[in-house]
Amino acid sequence: KNEVEQSPQNLTAQEGEFITINCSYSVGISALHWLQQHPGGGIVSLFMLSSGKKKHGRLIATINIQEKHSSLHITASHPRDSAVYICAVRYNQFYFGTGTSLTVIP
Amino acid sequence: DGGITQSPKYLFRKEGQNVTLSCEQNLNHDAMYWYRQDPGQGLRLIYYSQIVNDFQKGDIAEGYSVSREKKESFPLTVTSAQKNPTAFYLCASSTGQPMNTEAFFGQGTRLTVV
Repeated sequence: KNEVEQSPQNLTAQEGEFITINCSYSVGISALHWLQQHPGGGIVSLFMLSSGKKKHGRLIATINIQEKHSSLHITASHPRDSAVYICAVRYNQFYFGTGTSLTVIP
Repeated sequence: DGGITQSPKYLFRKEGQNVTLSCEQNLNHDAMYWYRQDPGQGLRLIYYSQIVNDFQKGDIAEGYSVSREKKESFPLTVTSAQKNPTAFYLCASSTGQPMNTEAFFGQGTRLTVV
């Protein structure tokens, strides 16, 4: 079984701030996913990573395979970024972190 | 465009009724999965299927049933034996091998049993 830990659990930021969410996992994986879930809403897939770094708009995701660690960064945060961000790793099946609840205040 | 579709997004049922959640993909993925999310908890595996006509129980399969008669479809039935069916349900699909190739997630179905 793969243990997935995210930090922080909750995060409040002022609009415009740079945000980092961290994810650590315990067993070697084939891929890591970052997902976004708005309150009462569905899941949106943001990134799939197996190495290195990916960027999409204001979002950047990095992964360090040797350290079993990934980070999701949000630059110039905006209130519409308020959501729960979930890290998921793929190792035979998917294992999910409990999520980071982000609130961006105008 | 290829993707994975869950329907409906919101579902209400009376206690004691069975309900089936739909998950369809047109990605030609071999593997499909069902997960459940409860408030404050990570998503937990209910069932998964690596190939048509075969599926395996996950960590919390009690009170659920699935079928995989077609590659594209993996419906989940929440039976009356499931003690706490109100939850968010997520379907996912992936290629079988290699493991670091694509995987897709549905938008999810929020089931409320009253």
